[in-house]
Amino acid sequence: QSVLTQPPSVSAAPGQKVTISCSGSSSNIGDNYVSWYQQLPGTAPKLLIYENNDRPSGIPDRFSGSKSGTSATLGITGLQTGDEADYYCGARDSSLSAYVFGTGTKVTVL
Amino acid sequence: QLQLQESGPGLVKPSETLSLTCAVSGGSISSSSYYWGWIRQPPGKGLEWVGSIYFSGSTYYNPSLRSRVTISVDTSKNQFSLKLSSVTATDTAVYYCARLAKYSGSCLDYWGQGTLVTVSS
Repeated sequence: QSVLTQPPSVSAAPGQKVTISCSGSSSNIGDNYVSWYQQLPGTAPKLLIYENNDRPSGIPDRFSGSKSGTSATLGITGLQTGDEADYYCGARDSSLSAYVFGTGTKVTVL
Repeated sequence: QLQLQESGPGLVKPSETLSLTCAVSGGSISSSSYYWGWIRQPPGKGLEWVGSIYFSGSTYYNPSLRSRVTISVDTSKNQFSLKLSSVTATDTAVYYCARLAKYSGSCLDYWGQGTLVTVSS
């Protein structure tokens, strides 16, 4: 029962750019920071972006995040085969007093 | 480097209670800057937040699971635990423990490797 909505899949050729949208509401994205997580096949999720657009140490600047109103976007430039993974957005929900995730987006490198 | 490690039975019978523990190493669970949480992922599906706990014992639970979930913390052992009662096959999932950073936009910055729990008789 994900509260945040993402496209099921996106794809592009190596070297190209993809964007992944995350749509929420005033109680989650509209009122709190957004994080993004990368889940490579068979592994645990990894933090990719926090506080809407900051990257943890070690995350390349090919990954970027933005937020506007009740939506957020993850961008990946210079797409590499190693970027094939599932990507999830996440945020606190002030009304639910809970943490909510997006539905997840599978990135395929053609 | 902070590490989280989940442990517990991989198989639980329907109607029984699922119990998991997350051992934290390389950092203190009593830090005032973090919550500690459980997230689960049914096979082939997305992530679902189960709940979180602060070192003081304050808890936040997924509203859809609240009646069945209990998360507790043991600061002396630097670990926290999950109990989910009256399980059914729909509770079959990989269960992850993670650290939630209060002051970095409430992001989940460290995760355990996850443990698969199957509910079956």
